[in-house]
Amino acid sequence: DQQVKQNSPSLSVQEGRISILNCDYTNSMFDYFLWYKKYPAEGPTFLISISSIKDKNEDGRFTVFLNKSAKHLSLHIVPSQPGDSAVYFCAASAHSGGSNYKLTFGKGTLLTVNP
Amino acid sequence: GAVVSQHPSRVICKSGTSVKIECRSLDFQATTMFWYRQFPKQSLMLMATSNEGSKATYEQGVEKDKFLINHASLTLSTLTVTSAHPEDSSFYICSAGPLAGDTSTDTQYFGPGTRLTVL
Repeated sequence: DQQVKQNSPSLSVQEGRISILNCDYTNSMFDYFLWYKKYPAEGPTFLISISSIKDKNEDGRFTVFLNKSAKHLSLHIVPSQPGDSAVYFCAASAHSGGSNYKLTFGKGTLLTVNP
Repeated sequence: GAVVSQHPSRVICKSGTSVKIECRSLDFQATTMFWYRQFPKQSLMLMATSNEGSKATYEQGVEKDKFLINHASLTLSTLTVTSAHPEDSSFYICSAGPLAGDTSTDTQYFGPGTRLTVL
């Protein structure tokens, strides 16, 4: 049973436009969410996170939105750049539930930003 | 900040041999270290969680006698793949986090990964 789902395996966007990556979760114990970016044959790089006490967190071109009632979060990248092309993983943890900091990952979305 | 290194980055070995992979947090101390495995075009699969000075906690289906984890300090963890076979060929990634003393987040910082090929 997949607790974190990224239903779009891939997304293609034009340079300068907005990229929106979506993630859904089923475990109501999850209260901390993260986005990671990964290039082939490299480890994931932490991008941005959000706690369930917030519904939005912004860092430069990256904004994460959390809709707890819908168990949905999204990552917005504005403006998109060719260097943003990578696989983006959504991850979640039950921080307050004593999860020992374990993260559950989605399967990832391959973002391609075309020049 | 929050840099994690892994060594080696790539290893090729014969079937039946053992391979050790090191994971170090270079500029921070971490509460916990994690070992993941990634198959091509798949998500990250958590293998085990380890805390310094205690036994690792393995995920269901991961053989603890095959994947030995030692967590000697707050900055070093090692994964030894014992008696490796071709089906163990994979991309192994470690992570560390959260930062020691900071319990407000669950952020993990990842190493660059180790590509293991067993012939």
